[in-house]
Amino acid sequence: DAGVTQSPTHLIKTRGQQVTLRCSPKSGHDTVSWYQQALGQGPQFIFQYYEEEERQRGNFPDRFSGHQFPNYSSELNVNALLLGDSALYLCASSLPGPATEPYGYTFGSGTRLTVV
Amino acid sequence: KQEVTQIPAALSVPEGENLVLNCSFTDSAIYNLQWFRQDPGKGLTSLLLIQSSQREQTSGRLNASLDKSSGRSTLYIAASQPGDSATYLCAGAGNSGNTPLVFGKGTRLSVIA
Repeated sequence: DAGVTQSPTHLIKTRGQQVTLRCSPKSGHDTVSWYQQALGQGPQFIFQYYEEEERQRGNFPDRFSGHQFPNYSSELNVNALLLGDSALYLCASSLPGPATEPYGYTFGSGTRLTVV
Repeated sequence: KQEVTQIPAALSVPEGENLVLNCSFTDSAIYNLQWFRQDPGKGLTSLLLIQSSQREQTSGRLNASLDKSSGRSTLYIAASQPGDSATYLCAGAGNSGNTPLVFGKGTRLSVIA
């Protein structure tokens, strides 16, 4: 099953460091979105990439940046880590619009980031 | 700005009981609504997606409804099982195909054998 793949699964970083998280979308999907889920909360939208461009962005500081590659995979980068960045980071893939299938997101298993 | 609320925050039921999870949203211009399941420390598994032109979707023991006019969706689980224990999240997408999902905080369900 070519679902959404995220790596690494767990990560521990020190305050002030930088981190890169990776995501491979579901086969056939070309749009990638990133979400942050703090403990006990629902996921919060960070940004979305399509055709290697950031298409939409949520209310997150510029320390959060991303990239999408020609093969549709994506990276999430966080600079100058804060303790409050500790969370589960989820990647979701989708098609660009509803014209080709009932629209929906497919999520990966997430990366658990702990900042100490 | 879309806001999604889920009630109750937690629910504990005996095995075999039928139950309803509630989700409300503030902006009726919703494109679709998706229900997810999340096991502790894990990612999200999509359960059902209801498009704005639909009123309900069914998959096995699960049935989800959408009432845009009242800003509500419900997830009905029939004959609950201990394996249904998880957090259930609903999320709405806005009025275009790629508007990001807005999530509620979820309902944590425990089914007791």
